[in-house]
Amino acid sequence: DVKVTQSSRYLVKRTGEKVFLECVQDMDHENMFWYRQDPGLGLRLIYFSYDVKMKEKGDIPEGYSVSREKKERFSLILESASTNQTSMYLCASRAQGTPNQPQHFGDGTRLSIL
Amino acid sequence: EDQVTQSPEALRLQEGESSSLNCSYTVSGLRGLFWYRQDPGKGPEFLFTLYSAGEEKEKERLKATLTKKESFLHITAPKPEDSATYLCAAVARAGNKLTFGGGTRVLVKP
Repeated sequence: DVKVTQSSRYLVKRTGEKVFLECVQDMDHENMFWYRQDPGLGLRLIYFSYDVKMKEKGDIPEGYSVSREKKERFSLILESASTNQTSMYLCASRAQGTPNQPQHFGDGTRLSIL
Repeated sequence: EDQVTQSPEALRLQEGESSSLNCSYTVSGLRGLFWYRQDPGKGPEFLFTLYSAGEEKEKERLKATLTKKESFLHITAPKPEDSATYLCAAVARAGNKLTFGGGTRVLVKP
């Protein structure tokens, strides 16, 4: 079974802080994704990566950056946290090949910015 | 722009009362349609992928079907443990990203 592990289940930070969310997958997947999930807005893609050191913007990249130094690890960075970034953050990974392979998700990090 | 719409938003069922969830999609050349289950406080759990109209997939009390415009998730004789939010998502032939619907919250009462 695919295992996607997010380092924190709950996180509370202050406005203006730099925040790091970590995600690790154990299936040697090339593709990794970061989403945020908000009531009424569903899942929205922030960034994705299809290889080490490669990244592409998703639908809502503003205020975020990412890092992928190793294949198994994909980090989401909030450069200067703001209250509108309070959300559930979900990481996913997918095997190489066509995009019709399923994405597998971690259990999420519920982030609160005070 | 690709769009995925799920209905209803919420569904309350009695145990054993079968029902169907709808997922309508507008995608430029569907490459795959995915169903996920999400429990409160957890990430989505993959259920099915459907690739072409007419295809069906089954798992326990769940059956997913696909037409050229929509997909259905049929829940047969549901049990309380089937209570969850069910998400569908589509990927277009020319794209690399999933477009998610808003989900259907299902509550099965004993």
